[in-house]
Amino acid sequence: EVQLVESGGGLVQPGRSLKLSCAASGFTFSDYNMAWVRQAPTKGLEWVASISYGGSNTHYGDSVKGRFTISRDNAKSTLYLQMDSLRSEDTATYYCARDLYYDGTYYPFAYWGQGTLVTVSS
Amino acid sequence: DIQMTQSPSFLSASVGDRVTINCKASQNINRYLNWYQQKLGEAPKLLIYNANSLQTGIPSRFSGSGSGTDFTLTISSLQPEDVATYFCLQHNSWPYTFGAGTKLELK
Repeated sequence: EVQLVESGGGLVQPGRSLKLSCAASGFTFSDYNMAWVRQAPTKGLEWVASISYGGSNTHYGDSVKGRFTISRDNAKSTLYLQMDSLRSEDTATYYCARDLYYDGTYYPFAYWGQGTLVTVSS
Repeated sequence: DIQMTQSPSFLSASVGDRVTINCKASQNINRYLNWYQQKLGEAPKLLIYNANSLQTGIPSRFSGSGSGTDFTLTISSLQPEDVATYFCLQHNSWPYTFGAGTKLELK
């Protein structure tokens, strides 16, 4: 069974940093692209960042580019999101998500963790 | 960026009704369209990928159709457990973008 467990959320002041982790189990972590998706309170979903299965390719949403860094440790089956220069508008539940691989194609965000809440406030 | 316009924003229907939710892309996204269901307080769940492929374990009353710019999620016979918010996602090109969501409630 695919399991994704996020951690590291909490209350942080504007301008400070926070690092989220996502521990994966139930599948071969190094075979799949991974991503972070966030959801502000009572709002819709926003893609944040994605990383390829080997870690060599990354993509970022415009709202976090230059401030957030996605990375992974395949030996530890763990995904990370380093968040710097945090702003109040970064307040959200952050989900990690795994692709589905079918018939030669990756389909994003097929499996989700339960999310971790990040609150940016003074 | 590709904009995903989802309609309606709110939908009220009765048990047994056929329900349709639409997503329109601002440009051609081929069939790179997923549908998600999110129940209150839970993480989203993938229902449909590749516009019309049913994810494993999802009831067959859910189906997807469309290609290019216009897509539809259909629930053939609404059940009480289908009360949720539904989102579409385009993954044809970066940045990936979601629709704003359709909140489905029972009448």
